[in-house]
Amino acid sequence: EPEVTQTPSHQVTQMGQEVILRCVPISNHLYFYWYRQILGQKVEFLVSFYNNEISEKSEIFDDQFSVERPDGSNFTLKIRSTKLEDSAMYFCASKLGSNYEQYFGPGTRLTVT
Amino acid sequence: ELKVEQNPLFLSMQEGKNYTIYCNYSTTSDRLYWYRQDPGKSLESLFVLLSNGAVKQEGRLMASLDTKARLSTLHITAAVHDLSATYFCAGNKAAGNKLTFGGGTRVLVKP
Repeated sequence: EPEVTQTPSHQVTQMGQEVILRCVPISNHLYFYWYRQILGQKVEFLVSFYNNEISEKSEIFDDQFSVERPDGSNFTLKIRSTKLEDSAMYFCASKLGSNYEQYFGPGTRLTVT
Repeated sequence: ELKVEQNPLFLSMQEGKNYTIYCNYSTTSDRLYWYRQDPGKSLESLFVLLSNGAVKQEGRLMASLDTKARLSTLHITAAVHDLSATYFCAGNKAAGNKLTFGGGTRVLVKP
C-alpha cells in the first residue's frame, strides 16, 4: 500500500542552523501539507501546497520557513535559522484531491539544542 | 476560524467498561476525522464522518456526528489495554483545506 515517507526520522541541530525536512508524498497525490506537534500538545497546521504554490499558511509559518517541491516527488520544509521552540515532531501529509482524506507520514522529530 | 475542542483531556479507563470522548467544533466543518496516535508515532486514521447523523464502527470504537450540535463522539465499548493511546478529532472548513485538530484525549486503560 502506498504511503507517505519522511526523512530523517530524527534530526538534532544547533540553534541558528538551517534544517531541511524531507517528505515523499504518495505518488499521484496533488495536495501537500506540513503540520507540527510540540511534545505533548496538539497537532498544528503549518502550510498547504497545491499546484506548485502555497495555498494556505498559518501564523507559525513565518519568514523562517519555506516549502518546495523541487523534483515532482519530494516535498521539503526548510527552517532557515532554527530556534529552541522549533523543537517538535513535523508531519507531512498528502491527499489525492480536494474531497479525499489526508495521509500522514511517520514524522521527523526535530530537536534544537 | 474553525476551533475544535475535545474533552476530557485524559481518560483513565477500566478494562471492560464503556467510555465516551467528546469533540465540539465552533463553525461548520466539512467533515470530521478521528485519529489515534501511539507515543512517538504518527497519526492513524480511524474514522471520517461526512454528514449529519453519520455513525461508523470499527471493533470496540464507534464514532458519530451531530452537525446541528457541532458535536462528534467517540465511544469505546468494553475497553481493553490495546486501546491505550491518544485520540484526536479534527475538522476542516472546506474540502482541500487544512485540518484543525482538537487538543487530544490521552486514554489509559488499566486492567
